[in-house]
Amino acid sequence: GNSVTQMEGPVTLSEEAFLTINCTYTATGYPSLFWYVQYPGEGLQLLLKATKADDKGSNKGFEATYRKETTSFHLEKGSVQVSDSAVYFCALGPNAGNNRKLIWGLGTSLAVNP
Amino acid sequence: GAGVSQSPSNKVTEKGKDVELRCDPISGHTALYWYRQSLGQGLEFLIYFQGNSAPDKSGLPSDRFSAERTGGSVSTLTIQRTQQEDSAVYLCASRYTGKETQYFGPGTRLLVL
Repeated sequence: GNSVTQMEGPVTLSEEAFLTINCTYTATGYPSLFWYVQYPGEGLQLLLKATKADDKGSNKGFEATYRKETTSFHLEKGSVQVSDSAVYFCALGPNAGNNRKLIWGLGTSLAVNP
Repeated sequence: GAGVSQSPSNKVTEKGKDVELRCDPISGHTALYWYRQSLGQGLEFLIYFQGNSAPDKSGLPSDRFSAERTGGSVSTLTIQRTQQEDSAVYLCASRYTGKETQYFGPGTRLLVL
């Protein structure tokens, strides 16, 4: 069945460092891919998404490219800030015919130090 | 507009008691999901409602868990005879028909003593 494997955390970086959080997936068909973020004390928010191969999602300086050949959707940011400290979740979108539920990674905690 | 709201934000209960958690989705969103997020774990799907269709209950961990959605809007998740392993954050999300993006509420943090 469909699944998502996400890089284990926690990840600790200094401000302005480069961030990569790996996400790979197994899926039939061509599902959409998502990154959600959960800031401390808040609910999950959509960070970015890509709906087909080679699409690049971007938001708030974060980017992720839907790579069909490597079945990956790695999250990157060139220069992290303290305010990026949060838990990041990779998710695999629904295929036609199911209940449109997302398949979630376990989350990667990011802490950015000043 | 208003986002997904959940109440209470925190709930402490004693083992064996019943609890009710409420979710108010975004107006016009016909799809509603309940998830559970345990410490150090990912999101665990519990139940899905879509319009007037029969809900997908495939994620409910036991028959102590049930949920209903009245009038296609507000949903209530009920946990009967709570156990300590039920302690978690319960998240609700809603989605507009035909769209993939789910919008999450802030969650209810449940602690069973």
